[in-house]
Amino acid sequence: AQRVTQPEKLLSVFKGAPVELKCNYSYSGSPELFWYVQYSRQRLQLLLRHISRESIKGFTADLNKGETSFHLKKPFAQEEDSAMYYCALAGGEIQGAQKLVFGQGTRLTINP
Amino acid sequence: ETGVTQTPRHLVMGMTNKKSLKCEQHLGHNAMYWYKQSAKKPLELMFVYSLEERVENNSVPSRFSPECPNSSHLFLHLHTLQPEDSALYLCASSQLRTSGYHRNEQFFGPGTRLTVL
Repeated sequence: AQRVTQPEKLLSVFKGAPVELKCNYSYSGSPELFWYVQYSRQRLQLLLRHISRESIKGFTADLNKGETSFHLKKPFAQEEDSAMYYCALAGGEIQGAQKLVFGQGTRLTINP
Repeated sequence: ETGVTQTPRHLVMGMTNKKSLKCEQHLGHNAMYWYKQSAKKPLELMFVYSLEERVENNSVPSRFSPECPNSSHLFLHLHTLQPEDSALYLCASSQLRTSGYHRNEQFFGPGTRLTVL
């Protein structure tokens, strides 16, 4: 079964502290993983994908196939990082359209 | 307006009503999706359309009926819903992946908050 687990519903850290949002997945094939973010009063949008191996807004995420994890990290949190973060797995493709499986989401709050 | 739009933004309906949710994308995409976001569940994929053809129905009850008249518009027709169908319904669009390994990003609308009384 395809499943994405985000064990923390809420995460609160102080500004300047490191942040790690956890994501674990279950998938029998070769996974493709994403982090989506939803800022207050904005729509859900892509933050980063593992294939790109990029850093966006200071965030990085490394796919660890051995631990089936795709944790999102940032060394120094900023107040504008406060948002809802969703980990998602591309659980297959059908006629070129991707089927995303989402985790429950983690609400990140950065305290001043 | 650019991106993906959804109307109405809020909808309250009785169990015997019939209503429709509308989604429009202005991105030139050729795949569209309906998702359901309930309070205590992850975002769930409901339907997938590829080139206006429904290619996935994720075990959704027949009281939800999607329609994709063209690549820019997607509807979700609702009838005889139950209170447990109250949720945020999100529409998304993407470009189909035609070659290469890179799967294309899905762009989401703001959602319709549905309340069934």
